[in-house]
Amino acid sequence: AQKVTQAQTEISVVEKEDVTLDCVYETRDTTYYLFWYKQPPSGELVFLIRRNSFDEQNEISGRYSWNFQKSTSSFNFTITASQVVDSAVYFCALMNRDDKIIFGKGTRLHILP
Amino acid sequence: DSGVTQTPKHLITATGQRVTLRCSPRSGDLSVYWYQQSLDQGLQFLIQYYNGEERAKGNILERFSAQQFPDLHSELNLSSLELGDSALYFCASSVAGASGYNEQFFGPGTRLTVL
Repeated sequence: AQKVTQAQTEISVVEKEDVTLDCVYETRDTTYYLFWYKQPPSGELVFLIRRNSFDEQNEISGRYSWNFQKSTSSFNFTITASQVVDSAVYFCALMNRDDKIIFGKGTRLHILP
Repeated sequence: DSGVTQTPKHLITATGQRVTLRCSPRSGDLSVYWYQQSLDQGLQFLIQYYNGEERAKGNILERFSAQQFPDLHSELNLSSLELGDSALYFCASSVAGASGYNEQFFGPGTRLTVL
């Protein structure tokens, strides 16, 4: 089965705190791609990052960082020094060779001023 | 701006009605994908077209149908609408159809409200 689990439905943190969004995936394929998307209140899907299954290198982009661990089938996302503008729903997603993107249920993140 | 356009942005209709959602892919993209985001089901893949042909099907209801025209724009037709069809419908496009990674670019979505 192919599945993405985001166990955290909703998280609230105070501005400037660090926050980690968890993502666990299941797939039988050896070649796959993992994504994170942000959905602000306006509703559009904003692409944040893509990782393929052969690249376990962690990535940092400004205040965002991603930790990919195949051994635990996890692809976690950390926001450092959170800001109010980071408030959104964040989706982790999986794509196999069939091109269908399977999304997790999303984590709603509230950054409190 | 992803380059994918969707119209209309908002649509309000009544139960039992039929609506058509339109998607224009990015220039040069041959594949179009439709996704539905509802409160019950979350974000899920509905259907994919590649160069006019249906390529893959997901959890699409029989009341829903789609097509891709020669100019590559796509339409998603929803009929006999029910309250539960209220959702945000996204279209995405990519260059190719399968075999290897093809980045999907998402449109802004059409918000459908069924009253």
